[in-house]
Amino acid sequence: DAGVIQSPRHEVTEMGQEVTLRCKPISGHNSLFWYRQTMMRGLELLIYFNNNVPIDDSGMPEDRFSAKMPNASFSTLKIQPSEPRDSAVYFCASTQVGYGYTFGSGTRLTVV
Amino acid sequence: QQPVQSPQAVILREGEDAVINCSSSKALYSVHWYRQKHGEAPVFLMILLKGGEQKGHEKISASFNEKKQQSSLYLTASQLSYSGTYFCGRTGTGGGADGLTFGKGTHLIIQP
Repeated sequence: DAGVIQSPRHEVTEMGQEVTLRCKPISGHNSLFWYRQTMMRGLELLIYFNNNVPIDDSGMPEDRFSAKMPNASFSTLKIQPSEPRDSAVYFCASTQVGYGYTFGSGTRLTVV
Repeated sequence: QQPVQSPQAVILREGEDAVINCSSSKALYSVHWYRQKHGEAPVFLMILLKGGEQKGHEKISASFNEKKQQSSLYLTASQLSYSGTYFCGRTGTGGGADGLTFGKGTHLIIQP
C-alpha cells in the first residue's frame, strides 16, 4: 500500500490567494482527519470525516477554511483567502475504528 | 482539552531507560502513542483501550490506568533510533472514530 498520499509537499503562496491541499487516504480506511502542526500550538485537529461524512469541524479556525470528501478516496482542505498566520504543516491521516492513524507526509504551507 | 505530557524533554545516553507520562482531565476511552522525527510525519506506536492492559513490542511498552486517566510509555535500553518527539493522543468515546486530541509532546534525545 502506498500509504496516505498528500499533495503538494510544499506550497508557497501570497496572502489573499486560495490554497487547496489534497489527500488520498488508504483504501479501506473509513475515517479521515485533517491536522495542522505549528511550534506554538502543536498538532491541532481541524476536521474529521467518517464514511465521507463530516462529523466535527469545530477545530476549523475560521470560515476561511473548508474541507470536503466527495468520495472514499479523496479529500481537500481549502483556505480562501490565505493569511500569513495560516503558515504551518498540514497533515492528513486515515484509519479504521480501533486502529492507529496513518499520517501522510504533510504539506508545508508558507503564506507570505 | 489537551492531555498533559511530562517531562517536556529528556536527554539520555544510549542504553538508558525512559518513562513518558500522559494525563487527562477528561475521561479516556483509549490512548494512542506516536513518535515523530524532525521533518517527518508522526508514526503510530501503539493503542491502549480501556482495561488497563499493557501493550508493547520490542523494548517499547505502555500502560493505561483508566481510573487515574493516565498512560505511560516505557522505553527500555534506549537506542539512537528512539530519538524524536513522542505524542500521546486521547479519544473520548468512539474508540478512535472521533478525532485524537494530542498532547504537546515530549522531546527525547538519545546520545551515544
